Amino acid sequence: DAGVIQSPRHEVTEMGQEVTLRCKPISGHDYLFWYRQTMMRGLELLIYFNNNVPIDDSGMPEDRFSAKMPNASFSTLKIQPSEPRDSAVYFCASSLVTYRASYNEQFFGPGTRLTVL
Amino acid sequence: AQSVTQPDIHITVSEGASLELRCNYSYGATPYLFWYVQSPGQGLQLLLKYFSGDTLVQGIKGFEAEFKRSQSSFNLRKPSVHWSDAAEYFCAVGITGFQKLVFGTGTRLLVSP
Repeated sequence: DAGVIQSPRHEVTEMGQEVTLRCKPISGHDYLFWYRQTMMRGLELLIYFNNNVPIDDSGMPEDRFSAKMPNASFSTLKIQPSEPRDSAVYFCASSLVTYRASYNEQFFGPGTRLTVL
Repeated sequence: AQSVTQPDIHITVSEGASLELRCNYSYGATPYLFWYVQSPGQGLQLLLKYFSGDTLVQGIKGFEAEFKRSQSSFNLRKPSVHWSDAAEYFCAVGITGFQKLVFGTGTRLLVSP
C-alpha cells in the first residue's frame, strides 16, 4: 500500500486566499484524522471522521476552517480566508478499527507545509 | 481531562549511549499508550504501543517502553543510540471509545558523535 497520501506537500499563499489541502487515506481504513503542528501549540487534532462522517470537530480553530470527506478515499481541509497564523504543517492520518482491538494505530501522511504570507 | 507530559524538550545523547525519554499521562481509565517518532520533514511513525498485558513492550528500531501505572508513566528506552535515531519523539494517550489521540509536546533527540 502507498500509505496515506497528502497533497500538496508545500503550499505558499497570500493572506485572504482560499487553501485546500487533500488527503487520501489507506485503502480500507475507516477513520481519518486531520492534525495541525506548530512550534507553539505542538500537534493538535482538528477533526476526525468515521466512515466518512465527521465525529468530532471540536479542534477546528474557527469557521474559516472546514473539512469534508465525500467518500472513503478522499478528504479535504479548506481554509477560507487564510491568515498568516494558519501557517503550520497539516497532517492527515488514517486507521482501521477491528473487532479484535478497540484501539488501533494511526498511520500518518507526510504532511503539507502551509505558509501564508 | 486527558493529558500527556513530556518534560524534556531537548535531549542530547552520545552515539552508543543509552537513552530514556520520559512520558507521564493523566487519564482516569486504563490507558492506551503510544510512542511515535518524527524524522525531519516526515510524518509520524509508530514505534510501539501498549494496550494491556506485559508492561514492557518492544517496538521497532530497538526501542522499548515500560508502563508503570503507579507512576502514570510510559518511558521510552533504547540501550544504544545510533545517529539515525536523531528525531522528535511523541508520546500519546488514546481516549477510549473515541479513537483519538492526545499527544505530548514532543522531545527532540540530538545524537552527538
